[in-house]
Amino acid sequence: DADVTQTPRNRITKTGKRIMLECSQTKGHDRMYWYRQDPGLGLRLIYYSFDVKDINKGEISDGYSVSRQAQAKFSLSLESAIPNQTALYFCATSDLLAGRGQYFGPGTRLTVT
Amino acid sequence: QKEVEQNSGPLSVPEGAIASLNCTYSDRGSQSFFWYRQYSGKSPELIMFIYSNGDKEDGRFTAQLNKASQYVSLLIRDSQPSDSATYLCAVGEDSSYKLIFGSGTRLLVRP
Repeated sequence: DADVTQTPRNRITKTGKRIMLECSQTKGHDRMYWYRQDPGLGLRLIYYSFDVKDINKGEISDGYSVSRQAQAKFSLSLESAIPNQTALYFCATSDLLAGRGQYFGPGTRLTVT
Repeated sequence: QKEVEQNSGPLSVPEGAIASLNCTYSDRGSQSFFWYRQYSGKSPELIMFIYSNGDKEDGRFTAQLNKASQYVSLLIRDSQPSDSATYLCAVGEDSSYKLIFGSGTRLLVRP
């Protein structure tokens, strides 16, 4: 079974709709991250969380919100989707005992029309 | 703003050759350095990390770090067509565990 799972894997939605992307992990890591990836722009950090009570904005948090429901679950919401939020979204986890590397989920391809 | 720079490529090498991928970073205080491999449409996969100056070898992969020059590289020996992918360099902020990613270098290994 995959250590980091994301749902849905693909989503097409319309401008103005609210959408939630979910991430779950069985790695036991305490740190979780949300990134978006656009062609030519690499991975950009949206939000990150070090535990259930600690949520931090990344470099591109405008238009997004997150919820850390449990150590193993971290959700990303787009309150009112717009076309330039069309991207590949990745969840990642890390942990002090696992070194500082981050481990990525399979990604969600989101298209906003 | 902290930056991580990579040549976008593609870097094309023949099968069996050594592929050399390079990365520079702007924050002199960076402490941890990572190489990820990403196949098209897939998620990044951690393949190497290095924290100290010098070389670190793992199988066909060698990571090299030179903090004075703010330069990190990845060598892939005996390149195989299956190594064809985009390689992302990432640099870690020591206290926050945040990573700053380069935009990646596309590697093409010709059979």
